[in-house]
Amino acid sequence: AQSVTQLDSQVPVFEEAPVELRCNYSSSVSVYLFWYVQYPNQGLQLLLKYLSGSTLVKGINGFEAEFNKSQTSFHLRKPSVHISDTAEYFCAVIRMDSSYKLIFGSGTRLLVRP
Amino acid sequence: KAGVTQTPRYLIKTRGQQVTLSCSPISGHRSVSWYQQTPGQGLQFLFEYFSETQRNKGNFPGRFSGRQFSNSRSEMNVSTLELGDSALYLCASSPEGGGRTEAFFGQGTRLTVV
Repeated sequence: AQSVTQLDSQVPVFEEAPVELRCNYSSSVSVYLFWYVQYPNQGLQLLLKYLSGSTLVKGINGFEAEFNKSQTSFHLRKPSVHISDTAEYFCAVIRMDSSYKLIFGSGTRLLVRP
Repeated sequence: KAGVTQTPRYLIKTRGQQVTLSCSPISGHRSVSWYQQTPGQGLQFLFEYFSETQRNKGNFPGRFSGRQFSNSRSEMNVSTLELGDSALYLCASSPEGGGRTEAFFGQGTRLTVV
């Protein structure tokens, strides 16, 4: 079975400061990793994904994430946040063996203050 | 290209009733997945359909069912509604399903059971 842990339920940060949202996963099989963002009253939008290759993945809106296999982590980072980045962020995994089920973490609310 | 369309956006139903939610995927996408999002349980996988066949099912009671039509449009049905079924129901479409292709989410249907 797979599980995803997002330890921080809320992360407050000032505008233009850097931010890191933490994600750890557990799986007995190899997985693909994803970060999604959800704005109020909206669906989910894919920020970035790790399938293979370079462990540093760049996504949309200036976000990036680093896959660390030994620590089973996939932390999301942004060097300078904007007010518009205020949203809920979800880390997710999916089995590589063609499973069609995304397993999501509980989410981290990023609150950017002016 | 039009995105994933879910109808209706909002729905209020009474306990014991049944409800049908609709999802129109992006043109050309053959995989449609459904997720339930609640404050307590987070995002949970309901089921996934590909070419009118259910390929994967989550851990939900039999009151939750779905189907997919030949044009890839999908519906999910919940019978004998309970208060705990109040949630945001999200639909996602992708070309083939699985992890290597991006899943695009709709804005969701907010179901309130009273």
